[in-house]
Amino acid sequence: GEDVEQSLFLSVREGDSSVINCTYTDSSSTYLYWYKQEPGAGLQLLTYIFSNMDMKQDQRLTVLLNKKDKHLSLRIADTQTGDSAIYFCAEKSGYSTLTFGKGTMLLVSP
Amino acid sequence: GAVVSQHPSRVICKSGTSVKIECRSLDFQATTMFWYRQFPKQSLMLMATSNEGSKATYEQGVEKDKFLINHASLTLSTLTVTSAHPEDSSFYICSAGGRRGVAEAFFGQGTRLTVV
Repeated sequence: GEDVEQSLFLSVREGDSSVINCTYTDSSSTYLYWYKQEPGAGLQLLTYIFSNMDMKQDQRLTVLLNKKDKHLSLRIADTQTGDSAIYFCAEKSGYSTLTFGKGTMLLVSP
Repeated sequence: GAVVSQHPSRVICKSGTSVKIECRSLDFQATTMFWYRQFPKQSLMLMATSNEGSKATYEQGVEKDKFLINHASLTLSTLTVTSAHPEDSSFYICSAGGRRGVAEAFFGQGTRLTVV
């Protein structure tokens, strides 16, 4: 089956930029997503990008997509302690359901 | 944006009892909803696709007699964990949306089920 891989843990200091990376295997992916999950809560959609785009910026969030390498990244500028959470990368093609990575735990220290 | 509401957020039940979890789409009609299970430090595992007015489609390895899904209306899907056992303890999340032409998939808040 299709696979989505992400690093499991990232630690940064408040005010620094965070970059969370993700790779996927499905070359027919149509949409790629980033979700945030705080402890004990559901998933919050942060942003998504169509596969025909290579960059999307939304306030402090920048998504970069390298379709050739099947690599997706999420950059959080000026990271705050409230950004501490688990971030899931996910991909979807056509009518298929979402395929998630295992999540990256982001820890932001003061 | 669209909102999906899941209830309850936490439930503790005794072994052998059944637990029902509700998933509602609050401001859009969802012909399809999805039920996921999340183990600690693991990704979300799709359990089943809930289809309004018809039978749910279960993923391989998911027991349909144990995890009963009912999608009686365009805004409500329910997951019933029957004869619950401690190994069913987990975090269950539903989602709606994410259809072709609708990029966003909206998730409920999740339900933490603990079977004692």
